[in-house]
Amino acid sequence: SAVISQKPSRDICQRGTSLTIQCQVDSQVTMMFWYRQQPGQSLTLIATANQGSEATYESGFVIDKFPISRPNLTFSTLTVSNMSPEDSSIYLCSVVTGTNYGYTFGSGTRLTVV
Amino acid sequence: QKEVEQDPGPLSVPEGAIVSLNCTYSNSAFQYFMWYRQYSRKGPELLMYTYSSGNKEDGRFTAQVDKSSKYISLFIRDSQPSDSATYLCAMSKGGNKLTFGTGTQLKVEL
Repeated sequence: SAVISQKPSRDICQRGTSLTIQCQVDSQVTMMFWYRQQPGQSLTLIATANQGSEATYESGFVIDKFPISRPNLTFSTLTVSNMSPEDSSIYLCSVVTGTNYGYTFGSGTRLTVV
Repeated sequence: QKEVEQDPGPLSVPEGAIVSLNCTYSNSAFQYFMWYRQYSRKGPELLMYTYSSGNKEDGRFTAQVDKSSKYISLFIRDSQPSDSATYLCAMSKGGNKLTFGTGTQLKVEL
């Protein structure tokens, strides 16, 4: 399965600022996925990032708040913009490798907004 | 009502016990069922995958799917302290979108 490197692993940010999270995969993948994991809640898909096209956002998530870049087949970034304390969460990137829904996740970015 | 319901626990068992973890779901369109294990400060890792109804066994782990009852289970035999983690059920209708449960926190005590 793929190996994902996600940075930063954690950060504490001031409200109103933005944070960009990086996701690097050790192999080329068509789709990369960004999830949010809030305390006591299920993992929620934010968007799907395809190389060479606009990301596809799930209901409740918008590009202005969570802009995504996908410059090549091994890298993606998610920016959390104009942050508020409600954005405090763990953000995870994920890729599908092989068959049978072999989703691989990064270790996540633990974000605290103060 | 959430599409996928999972008891958050925490669940504490002695070493060697049989553990039963469960999820219920409301959408009959789900066809693919997965269990992920997530250690503290790590991303989820795929444990088991099942398509449609039936059982699947892998070492100490058994996954069961009962589509008629919209109920899935993960059994862990001879549980070990290293099994202490949060277990997430996930399911899909097909395509790439997974719907996750909230996770059950398991602690296996010596």
